Amino acid sequence: GAGVSQTPSNKVTEKGKYVELRCDPISGHTALYWYRQSLGQGPEFLIYFQGTGAADDSGLPNDRFFAVRPEGSVSTLKIQRTERGDSAVYLCASSSYVGSNEQFFGPGTRLTVL
Amino acid sequence: AQTVTQSQPEMSVQEAETVTLSCTYDTSENNYYLFWYKQPPSRQMILVIRQEAYKQQNATENRFSVNFQKAAKSFSLKISDSQLGDTAMYFCAFMPANAGGTSYGKLTFGQGTILTVHP
Repeated sequence: GAGVSQTPSNKVTEKGKYVELRCDPISGHTALYWYRQSLGQGPEFLIYFQGTGAADDSGLPNDRFFAVRPEGSVSTLKIQRTERGDSAVYLCASSSYVGSNEQFFGPGTRLTVL
Repeated sequence: AQTVTQSQPEMSVQEAETVTLSCTYDTSENNYYLFWYKQPPSRQMILVIRQEAYKQQNATENRFSVNFQKAAKSFSLKISDSQLGDTAMYFCAFMPANAGGTSYGKLTFGQGTILTVHP
């Protein structure tokens, strides 16, 4: 079956602009996670959803970052007033339920802020 | 809070040989899962192997095995008969869990080790 997909694959934007990054989880997976991976580093947790609600958003760096999952499937990570330091690969993962220990990752979106 | 440390930024090995990647972690959790993930240049994070802290026996998956030392908080990955396709960044990761094995979801990753397999 289809894995986790993320669009766009690459996004280049200018400082101060607004961007949206999309994640399509594996069909039927109720838990969805966002991570940010800076160059040469390991991924860092941002937020995760159980269904439509954000169960833990403790990793969001500041209030410029926001994520939604209105129908419990597709999720959008939104970044306002982008800064050069936001440049990273944004990874999405899903699992069949929050208590599952196996997360399936998408290929990520590489965001470059000029 | 948990921390995961990978002290080897880069490793290299000849094809068909064995290599060991190191990982240490710090936690106050009683139960948890440990993982090794592989990330090739395609960026896709692929699960290599996992270990539950309550299980004494070291996990193995074909050519991949771990040496889990709970008291020392050490979790190394051994790759036997290395293949060119093993070339990738490898991440050690931690996930807390309750006594029944239900995980608490979010992963904490180490900084990664770049492994290069030479022909």
